[in-house]
Amino acid sequence: NAGVTQTPKFQVLKTGQSMTLQCAQDMNHEYMSWYRQDPGMGLRLIHYSVGAGITDQGEVPNGYNVSRSTTEDFPLRLLSAAPSQTSVYFCASKNRGSFTEAFFGQGTRLTVV
Amino acid sequence: AQSVTQLGSHVSVSEGALVLLRCNYSSSVPPYLFWYVQYPNQGLQLLLKYTSAATLVKGINGFEAEFKKSETSFHLTKPSAHMRDAAEYFCAVSEGAMDTGRRALTFGSGTRLQVQP
Repeated sequence: NAGVTQTPKFQVLKTGQSMTLQCAQDMNHEYMSWYRQDPGMGLRLIHYSVGAGITDQGEVPNGYNVSRSTTEDFPLRLLSAAPSQTSVYFCASKNRGSFTEAFFGQGTRLTVV
Repeated sequence: AQSVTQLGSHVSVSEGALVLLRCNYSSSVPPYLFWYVQYPNQGLQLLLKYTSAATLVKGINGFEAEFKKSETSFHLTKPSAHMRDAAEYFCAVSEGAMDTGRRALTFGSGTRLQVQP
């Protein structure tokens, strides 16, 4: 099925560990983004990409890295996990001509202990 | 800078009653406005969008929203609630250039809708 696929769905990390959250879409969307969702705060933009080889920072980029080597994939890397990064992470994508992301992944629930 | 305020973190209605979820926005330029729905343990799904065309926007599942510039509001309504409408709803605003994608989508804090039988 076409859509945005995130892996893993759940992850527990120890403080200081690193990991990569995977995101892939098969709709040939140019624009992809990562959000984190925290209780009472809605979703906040971490990083986004307007095409392969182009990334930019969102509202809360500190502690996260991204790259976009292909149109399909947009991984999010946590360099040294901290308890403050405990959250639910969503990846999203949209067409160049769309006003907003209509396609979100099912999320990755990350706990940092 | 853009911002979104959703009044009421929890709203409870009876099945068959009117649903009204409130959203007020702040934007320095004419905004694009959106409502999303999130069912338990799922990602967000776009319900409807306002992109400077008709001020009354119809979305999926019988929801609609009206853009009122004078009130800086974009409230979400549904005439008759169903049990399946129980979910969390997010209002969002975007200011920047649609085509380049170099814009931020700012979300409200969400409203959890409960539907009582």
